[in-house]
Amino acid sequence: AQKITQTQPGMFVQEKEAVTLDCTYDTSDPSYGLFWYKQPSSGEMIFLIYQGSYDQQNATEGRYSLNFQKARKSANLVISASQLGDSAMYFCAMRQTQGGSEKLVFGKGTKLTVNP
Amino acid sequence: NAGVTQTPKFRVLKTGQSMTLLCAQDMNHEYMYWYRQDPGMGLRLIHYSVGEGTTAKGEVPDGYNVSRLKKQNFLLGLESAAPSQTSVYFCASSLMGYLNYEQYFGPGTRLTVT
Repeated sequence: AQKITQTQPGMFVQEKEAVTLDCTYDTSDPSYGLFWYKQPSSGEMIFLIYQGSYDQQNATEGRYSLNFQKARKSANLVISASQLGDSAMYFCAMRQTQGGSEKLVFGKGTKLTVNP
Repeated sequence: NAGVTQTPKFRVLKTGQSMTLLCAQDMNHEYMYWYRQDPGMGLRLIHYSVGEGTTAKGEVPDGYNVSRLKKQNFLLGLESAAPSQTSVYFCASSLMGYLNYEQYFGPGTRLTVT
């Protein structure tokens, strides 16, 4: 069964420092996609970054980068130069499309707190 | 361009009552999804649709029905609400069901069943 594991219920980081949020996944499919979403206290889900299983390079979007280690089945999110506004829940998700059907699985999330 | 909207934002139901949650998107997206979010559980897919007139079951479909009569709307129905359905419900849409298309989320509906 497809599964996403986020082992860090909560993380703390000092403003302006970098932080890594862990995500491991389990799948037997060769083709899949990995997403990270941010959910601030206001509740909306904000897309951050995407990594495809066949992508050769790690994805980057501004201060966000994805440390994709396919052999280890990990897709960790790195946030550089943390800002107070980065305090939020962060969800890792895996998406597969098989024979016309859709599977999307989210991890349980990591609560990030950025301290001034 | 409103993106994805959900109606209502909050609702309180009594056990056994029925209701329909409405999701609307104005981005001409093919795929639409309904999730529920419970504390400590992340998001779980209830049902999804790959286009007008189609629906499919997700991870936790029991107790819910959906309909996609128009491309821009995706309705989630609870025929007989139970306390276990107390949750925050998110609707999302995406352009296509390919791996690299992000999902755009609505603001959520907080449902309490007493």
